[in-house]
Amino acid sequence: ETGVTQTPRHLVMGMTNKKSLKCEQHLGHNAMYWYKQSAKKPLELMFVYSLEERVENNSVPSRFSPECPNSSHLFLHLHTLQPEDSALYLCASSLQSSYNEQFFGPGTRLTVL
Amino acid sequence: KQEVTQIPAALSVPEGENLVLNCSFTDSAIYNLQWFRQDPGKGLTSLLLIQSSQREQTSGRLNASLDKSSGRSTLYIAASQPGDSATYLCAVKTGANNLFFGTGTRLTVIP
Repeated sequence: ETGVTQTPRHLVMGMTNKKSLKCEQHLGHNAMYWYKQSAKKPLELMFVYSLEERVENNSVPSRFSPECPNSSHLFLHLHTLQPEDSALYLCASSLQSSYNEQFFGPGTRLTVL
Repeated sequence: KQEVTQIPAALSVPEGENLVLNCSFTDSAIYNLQWFRQDPGKGLTSLLLIQSSQREQTSGRLNASLDKSSGRSTLYIAASQPGDSATYLCAVKTGANNLFFGTGTRLTVIP
């Protein structure tokens, strides 16, 4: 596979469930990102991993927990989510630099009941 | 904090027309600006990347310009086609990891 892949593509979960989103990049990049896209709002950066270390957390609730075991894989662990967490979750990767572009995956559409 | 605005929020044009999408940003201290396309329920596809030192970039029927001092960028689409229908997002990069997005322009090209 090429580019940035995400699984699952769709996920429906109850507020008491625990689930994980997975992202994998095949581009040789060394930085990976999680974004949240809600209806009629700009994409929000949730987490950044650069060289496998988390370098930024934009005050995201603790019910979202990222994990980056290596430069090619990124997870977002979800637990006790709220209905307002329903959104499209996008993963991206890039080479760590101020000048490089980010490449995005297809996203996971999450619905919290 | 950087704010990115895209006007109009939605645009409908007949097939074959040339069109311009607008993006403005409040802080001119950017590294680059990127235009993306997003189809409904899908991820983002990068269209063009303009570094802060550049004035424009071209790819096929697409041309993006950047005026950093005035905080503006435009995406010009020539001879629009129904397949161009999508939401177009612009994003400005202000640091190694900071990418600020607009809310997008939803384009519909009518056959």
